[in-house]
Parts: sequence; structure tokens; C-alpha cells
Amino acid sequence: SQQGEEDPQALSIQEGENATMNCSYKTSINNLQWYRQNSGRGLVHLILIRSNEREKHSGRLRVTLDTSKKSSSLLITASRAADTASYFCATDELYSGGGADGLTFGKGTHLIIQP
Amino acid sequence: GAVVSQHPSWVICKSGTSVKIECRSLDFQATTMFWYRQFPKQSLMLMATSNEGSKATYEQGVEKDKFLINHASLTLSTLTVTSAHPEDSSFYICSATNLKINYGYTFGSGTRLTVV
Repeated sequence: SQQGEEDPQALSIQEGENATMNCSYKTSINNLQWYRQNSGRGLVHLILIRSNEREKHSGRLRVTLDTSKKSSSLLITASRAADTASYFCATDELYSGGGADGLTFGKGTHLIIQP
Repeated sequence: GAVVSQHPSWVICKSGTSVKIECRSLDFQATTMFWYRQFPKQSLMLMATSNEGSKATYEQGVEKDKFLINHASLTLSTLTVTSAHPEDSSFYICSATNLKINYGYTFGSGTRLTVV
């Protein structure tokens, strides 16, 4: 499976600032998801945006999706120290066979929130 | 919501031995389970897809004889790393879904494998 690209690979900001992470992918998709992973831990699902949606909000999270550019962004507003983690986008590729094809993960952005 | 339990959360084994990792869907029947591997500071890479009752489909470059996957029931899939070597040390994560009832992908908490 192909991996998307995320940028930046690492981001360090002050607490209270907004953090923006971008993700690009290569194929047609059913949906795109964002996950958070604390060091050495499992994945926490943050938000899912479907291919026919352009923007979605959940608490301090805002996700956009541009299918024409095959890109998505994740904005975390009013960042907190607890937001320090790695963030991954993952695409559910459009699959005509009727089965499940797994998720294709981006390379991730390591976010550090400095108190 | 859907819950997937993965066990063990960490394991240390000697080179040459085999290790089995279990992935269970606790409150739903998983028609399809996936196994991912994650090396330190890298992203997750899909290793294989398994549908209940059939052979797993492996991604290119993943040795099926080394990473044995069994999905014998709708709630359990196992990954066995055979004849483990230090380069197999990694974080292994499973996820499960049920397309018939449109569940999304639910992830286990991962297993940290260290081969010494």
C-alpha cells in the first residue's frame, strides 16, 4: 500500500498556539481519518471525514479535505501540553471489490507543545 | 463503541523462538482483521489482511511463512512471528472491521515485540 506524505514531519509550538498539519495522498478514497499516537502506545481515532465532505469539526479539531488536490489538513486550536503526540492521516481507499482493504497511513507529524 | 483487545501488550523473546499475538473483537464480529507493523519513529505499514475462514492476503515484501496469520473465528485473529530475529523487533497493531454492519476500523492497543 502506498503511503501518503505529511508535513511537517515535526512541529514544535508554544502552548495556546494553533497547530496545523497537512496530509497528501495518492489514490481515490472513501474517507480520510486522523489518528493520534502517544509515544509507544496505540492509536486514538480523532476524526473521520468522508470523500464528499469538505470540512469537519470536533471540539478543538478542524479537518479539511480537498479531493481535487488529494490533500487534507488537521488544525488543533488552543494547543495544550497533552496534545504532544504523533499525528497520522489514514486513507480508506476506494475499493470496488466490496471488501475491506485496510488503511494507508501517512508518515506522520510529531507535534511537541511546549508549556 | 467497538472494542478490540490485543494481547500481549509487550513481549521479549529469544532469537529463534516463535511469538503469538492475539487480537480479539470484544463486542462485535470482525469479518476482516488487519495487521500492521510500526518501526520506531515511523508510520504504520499494513502487513496483511485476513477474512474470517480464509487465508490471509499479505502485502508485498511480507513473508507469509514468517508471519503466520490465523482468523479462525469472527472475534479472534492471531499473528505468529516464527523464528523471530532481532530485526523483527517492532510494534505490531491489529485492527478489525465488520463491513456488513459498516463498522469503521477499530484498532487494538498494540504489541511491542523485542527479540534479543
